[in-house]
Amino acid sequence: GENVEQHPSTLSVQEGDSAVIKCTYSDSASNYFPWYKQELGKRPQLIIDIRSNVGEKKDQRIAVTLNKTAKHFSLHITETQPEDSAVYFCAALGYGGYNKLIFGAGTRLAVHP
Amino acid sequence: NAGVMQNPRHLVRRRGQEARLRCSPMKGHSHVYWYRQLPEEGLKFMVYLQKENIIDESGMPKERFSAEFPKEGPSILRIQQVVRGDSAAYFCASSPRSVSGGAADTQYFGPGTRLTVL
Repeated sequence: GENVEQHPSTLSVQEGDSAVIKCTYSDSASNYFPWYKQELGKRPQLIIDIRSNVGEKKDQRIAVTLNKTAKHFSLHITETQPEDSAVYFCAALGYGGYNKLIFGAGTRLAVHP
Repeated sequence: NAGVMQNPRHLVRRRGQEARLRCSPMKGHSHVYWYRQLPEEGLKFMVYLQKENIIDESGMPKERFSAEFPKEGPSILRIQQVVRGDSAAYFCASSPRSVSGGAADTQYFGPGTRLTVL
């Protein structure tokens, strides 16, 4: 079945450093890959997404890259700040084109001042 | 411009009782998705509905769970005869349209209902 693997499960960085989270997916038909940030007790919030017709997308300090051949995509956060601390989830659109998002297990990012 | 609304935010039930979770999609959105999040885990897809139709329920347990999205009113996720293993956060998301051979639409999440089964 469809599967999304996410690494690392925890990530600790110093303020100002970069953070990289990587995901791989199994369904070669997937064409949409969003990233969500979830703070403790809150809803998942979309921070960036990428579609399969592009290889990279940037939004200020956040960027996502996609390698369709290798079936992996990554989130890059530059100049990290303490408020970036949260759990980050990658997702891929599931089989059949329906809007079923298959989520990774999450990465707990801690940014230390 | 209200976002996705869910209620109640917290729900406590005893084993064997019924839980009803409600979701009102964003204005203009006619597609609703339910996801379950166990503590310290990711979100798992349960069901995808359009108005009066269940499109994909492949992630929903066959027994005790049901979902609906009537023509009028919110989407309802119903769990009958709850057990302790049902304790989780249940998130609803909505999008304006479904995939139809093109790009997918962004799903916006509600605040979730945290179900605790005693």
